[in-house]
Amino acid sequence: GAGVSQSPSNKVTEKGKDVELRCDPISGHTALYWYRQSLGQGLEFLIYFQGNSAPDKSGLPSDRFSAERTGGSVSTLTIQRTQQEDSAVYLCASSPTSGSMGEQFFGPGTRLTVL
Amino acid sequence: GQQLNQSPQSMFIQEGEDVSMNCTSSSIFNTWLWYKQDPGEGPVLLIALYKAGELTSNGRLTAQFGITRKDSFLNISASIPSDVGIYFCAGQAGTASKLTFGTGTRLQVTL
Repeated sequence: GAGVSQSPSNKVTEKGKDVELRCDPISGHTALYWYRQSLGQGLEFLIYFQGNSAPDKSGLPSDRFSAERTGGSVSTLTIQRTQQEDSAVYLCASSPTSGSMGEQFFGPGTRLTVL
Repeated sequence: GQQLNQSPQSMFIQEGEDVSMNCTSSSIFNTWLWYKQDPGEGPVLLIALYKAGELTSNGRLTAQFGITRKDSFLNISASIPSDVGIYFCAGQAGTASKLTFGTGTRLQVTL
């Protein structure tokens, strides 16, 4: 079956512009996560959606970052007024159920470059 | 954000050798996971550990969940060229909650 998909695969933008990154989770997965990976680093948690519960936004680095998940499926991560330090790979993951034991399935990521 | 301490940072080994890497945390986790990431791709789950002291194998891979719940190790036996990549540990405090990742171990295998 289809895995987690993300688009675009690459995004180059100018400092100060807004960007939207999209994630299509695996069908039927109720939990969706966004992570950020800077060059040569591990993954840093950003935000987590679980069903209809309020999202866990504790990892968002500033109020320029926001995310929404429509209809319990597709999610969009928005970065406003991008800065050069926002350059990274943004990874989305989904997980089967609220009682799942940790298996998160990752998409290929969106590589964001802010000039 | 918090990252787990993972070592070694990188390894250069010959094909056929065994590999060991470990991960430590200052806080307790209920689940430990090991992922492998190839260039340009997202991490892929290798092994999941759910109980302190648990030892789990997946082919040539063996991982253990430390008894203190603050550490884990991964062993790869008889390495092959396709083992090349970056290996990440990850800890999870509760079911379906966020993952806290290690800093990664870059593995290079020479023929």
